[in-house]
Parts: sequence; C-alpha cells; structure tokens
Amino acid sequence: EDQVTQSPEALRLQEGESSSLNCSYTVSGLRGLFWYRQDPGKGPEFLFTLYSAGEEKEKERLKATLTKKESFLHITAPKPEDSATYLCAVRVVDSSYKLIFGSGTRLLVRP
Amino acid sequence: NAGVTQTPKFRVLKTGQSMTLLCAQDMNHEYMYWYRQDPGMGLRLIHYSVGEGTTAKGEVPDGYNVSRLKKQNFLLGLESAAPSQTSVYFCASTRSGLAGASEQFFGPGTRLTVL
Repeated sequence: EDQVTQSPEALRLQEGESSSLNCSYTVSGLRGLFWYRQDPGKGPEFLFTLYSAGEEKEKERLKATLTKKESFLHITAPKPEDSATYLCAVRVVDSSYKLIFGSGTRLLVRP
Repeated sequence: NAGVTQTPKFRVLKTGQSMTLLCAQDMNHEYMYWYRQDPGMGLRLIHYSVGEGTTAKGEVPDGYNVSRLKKQNFLLGLESAAPSQTSVYFCASTRSGLAGASEQFFGPGTRLTVL
C-alpha cells in the first residue's frame, strides 16, 4: 500500500535555529514528490516538486532534497514567518494525477 | 486570475440535512479533486475528475457524491449529513501533463460542521 509518513508531527525552533523535516514514502512507483506549505485557515500552497533521487530545489530559506526512500525539507535560519504546517505528498504511477499526502509537520518559529 | 475558489467558506448543518459545495477554477485545468482534512490525518481524497463529465472515487467516498458538468466547476454533495462529515473540505485542480508531475492548486477551503 502506498504510504507517506512525516516526522516530527510538531517542531518548535528559535529564530535562526536551522533544522530539517522528514518525509518518508513507500510507493509502487514515484512520479513526483511535492512539498506544500499551509497556513492556518488557508489552503495548501505549493513549494516544490522533486522527481528523482539526488534532486534538490531551493527557495529562500527552504531547501528540499530527495532520496529513493525519503525527502527532507531543510530550513536554514528560520524566521517567525516560516511558521506553518508543511505537507509532503507523492504522485504515484496512474493516470489520475492523484496525490497521497502525509499528515504534515507543524512548525513554530519563536522570535 | 482567481485560481481555485470555493463556496461557501463556512456552513453548519444538522444531521440529515443536505448541501452542495461548489468549486470553480479559471485555469482551464482538466483534473479536479475534492479532499477532506481532519486533525492529525492530513488530506484524504474523496472524489476526483479527470475531465468534464467524468468522476471517480477516491480514498473516502462514502456519503458523498460529485458532478462535473462543466470543465471549470466541480460540485461535492452531501445527501444526508452526519457528524462524521464535520471537516474542512478542499478543492484542487491541475493541468494534464505530457511528462513529469504537475502541482495541484488548492482553494481556500470550506469549514463544515454537522451537529
């Protein structure tokens, strides 16, 4: 069964304290791994897509990496405005373009 | 472009009542999806559509029906609401892709409470 697991469930950081969020997946065939950011009361906002092991993408203080079994979202010198829930999702091999989501990591960055 | 919009934003129902949630997108996307989001459980797919006039079941379809009469609209119906359907509902859409995976664009959500 295709499955996505995110850890930790919640993470508290001080401003400037770098860390990483983990997304591990078990799928029959990967057609893309997606990272989204979700603010309270809003819909998920797209951040990155990764397609193959070894691929990396960056956006401001965020950097996403991918291996054959997991992805990491590295947050360098975070700011309070980075506080949000970060969701990981995978697209599997079928024609529906469906995404399977993990349960997310709630990040709180304190000033 | 408005992107993906959802109507209504909030709704309170009594057990047994019915309602329809409307999703509209102005990006000419082929694929549309309905998810529900519950605390600690992430986003779960209810139904989806790969084109006008087509619908298919997702992971948690029981108690819901959908219709895609127009390409830009995707409707989610609850015929007889139950307290277990209290949730936040998100609609999403994506374009068809030739190669690689295209991201889904999400609406702002509908918060539904069933008493």
